Amino acid sequence: EDKVVQSPLSLVVHEGDTVTLNCSYEVTNFRSLLWYKQEKKAPTFLFMLTSSGIEKKSGRLSSILDKKELSSILNITATQTGDSAIYLCAAMGANSKLTFGKGITLSVRP
Amino acid sequence: GAGVSQSPRYKVAKRGQDVALRCDPISGHVSLFWYQQALGQGPEFLTYFQNEAQLDKSGLPSDRFFAERPEGSVSTLKIQRTQQEDSAVYLCATMKPLSGKISYEQYFGPGTRLTVT
Repeated sequence: EDKVVQSPLSLVVHEGDTVTLNCSYEVTNFRSLLWYKQEKKAPTFLFMLTSSGIEKKSGRLSSILDKKELSSILNITATQTGDSAIYLCAAMGANSKLTFGKGITLSVRP
Repeated sequence: GAGVSQSPRYKVAKRGQDVALRCDPISGHVSLFWYQQALGQGPEFLTYFQNEAQLDKSGLPSDRFFAERPEGSVSTLKIQRTQQEDSAVYLCATMKPLSGKISYEQYFGPGTRLTVT
């Protein structure tokens, strides 16, 4: 059975801190790894990673995939209160089906 | 429209009632997915369409759940004889057209929050 595990499950930091969110996966016919940010609504797309070792960057957020270790990390530097959300990791397998982790709840305190 | 839309946004149903949840995909998106998200959990796959063909329904939790996409655009998820454990947010996601690329990102609608009382 396909599985995605995220850690830690929750995290509290202060504004300006840097955080690293972890994701590991076991998915048959793996195609790509996606990160989403979820506030009080639907997940919004952050990154899609297909190749190992190539960092994707968007502002203060960056992410990288390690296909050998079957894992990915999402880094957020200089955190802001607006970064408070649930961060979901999903692995895409056969039929483009996404298997999600439970999510990491990030709280950024002023 | 610019994004995936879903209706209704909120639905309260009495146990035993049938409900129908609608998803309007991004224009031209071939692939459409339904997910169920319980409180405090990540979304869980229910079913997948490519155009009007339902290619995978392995995630539907019981035969009370039925999905269709008759013309390859709008999709409806129907739940018959709702039960309290069906209470969740139902998310629809669509994906760009097929091409030589290995995969595309999925874009989510706002979801329908179903509460069964």
